[in-house]
Amino acid sequence: EAGVAQSPRYKIIEKRQSVAFWCNPISGHATLYWYQQILGQGPKLLIQFQNNGVVDDSQLPKDRFSAERLKGVDSTLKIQPAKLEDSAVYLCASSLLVHSGVIFFGQGTRLTVV
Amino acid sequence: GESVGLHLPTLSVQEGDNSIINCAYSNSASDYFIWYKQESGKGPQFIIDIRSNMDKRQGQRVTVLLNKTVKHLSLQIAATQPGDSAVYFCAEVGQDAGNMLTFGGGTRLMVKP
Repeated sequence: EAGVAQSPRYKIIEKRQSVAFWCNPISGHATLYWYQQILGQGPKLLIQFQNNGVVDDSQLPKDRFSAERLKGVDSTLKIQPAKLEDSAVYLCASSLLVHSGVIFFGQGTRLTVV
Repeated sequence: GESVGLHLPTLSVQEGDNSIINCAYSNSASDYFIWYKQESGKGPQFIIDIRSNMDKRQGQRVTVLLNKTVKHLSLQIAATQPGDSAVYFCAEVGQDAGNMLTFGGGTRLMVKP
């Protein structure tokens, strides 16, 4: 079974530039998550989708971050404009159930903002 | 705010010994706890979970203990192997947090040959 696919693996941008990350969840998983993991910390949930609807985006900095899952399958996360403090690994994950502790993570995209 | 935390940031053990990774949580409304393992350059991977109506659950070489009285969670790894070297996160799910999965800060386990 294929896992959660993310691209790119690495991205370096200058502050104030924009960046987008892509995620394809495990086939059949209706719930998709984007987490931000700053070095040395645990993952922090940014947004959770159930199919193409948002379940929770309370911790998403909406002035600069946006995410969509238009067809209820793959998803993109965008940052515009990026700040230095956005440097982190962005992890996409998926699960069968909407409120599940068992979620499957992709390898992540490591973003460096300089 | 309430959060999930860990006692020790780094744990070093000898190969073959047993490892114990501890986690303290403060949200008494949490009813489901999970341990994840994260190897370098990879996303976290589910290890084992436990519900609040249990105090112990065993898997293959791993055991999770839950002490609700002192709000403490531990992960025991038997006969630790070099492949167990990773960062371990405890996470919790609570109805008062919208049933969202909340991760703690992690403990790095280093296995010495």
